[in-house]
Amino acid sequence: AQTVTQSQPEMSVQEAETVTLSCTYDTSESDYYLFWYKQPPSRQMILVIRQEAYKQQNATENRFSVNFQKAAKSFSLKISDSQLGDAAMYFCAYLQTGKLQFGAGTQVVVTP
Amino acid sequence: GAVVSQHPSRVICKSGTSVKIECRSLDFQATTMFWYRQFPKQSLMLMATSNEGSKATYEQGVEKDKFLINHASLTLSTLTVTSAHPEDSSFYICSASGSGGQGAYEQYFGPGTRLTVT
Repeated sequence: AQTVTQSQPEMSVQEAETVTLSCTYDTSESDYYLFWYKQPPSRQMILVIRQEAYKQQNATENRFSVNFQKAAKSFSLKISDSQLGDAAMYFCAYLQTGKLQFGAGTQVVVTP
Repeated sequence: GAVVSQHPSRVICKSGTSVKIECRSLDFQATTMFWYRQFPKQSLMLMATSNEGSKATYEQGVEKDKFLINHASLTLSTLTVTSAHPEDSSFYICSASGSGGQGAYEQYFGPGTRLTVT
């Protein structure tokens, strides 16, 4: 069974600073997808970034980037130049055979 | 981008009654739809997966007779909570994925439905 672990229940960051959220996962597969989702207070799930396991290059989306370490089964998210609108719950997710498995989530608090 | 709607956004019902939640893909054909449940300050838990025209596949521990799922068309799936009880109160989220192409693996999420059973 695949499991996704987010070990940081909450992370605090000042505006304009950088924060890194950790995520590890367990799988015996070689082909899969990894995602980071953001869930703001509205509770709408928003896709932040995706990574295909076969790609060695780390994905980036504007201020969001990942550090994908396949051998270590690690998939961390870096938020640069943090903004107040980044405050939300962030979920790491693993997809295989069409199903998403989510980590417990990390609450990001952004302070002015 | 792909849009998924849910209706209603929130519903209050009395214990013992049934409530239906609709999930619609507005601008794409959803061959597969997923239903999740989320308790406060917790992660999303997959309840079931449904493919258009087929019976839903329920995750272990989810009562299929209590949570009836129908995926009658490529744009609509419904979740009916039968004989609801207060412990069924939760936030229910649907997602949908399309057929073929690069986005076949990606799930697009609805805004969720808050169910309160009194």
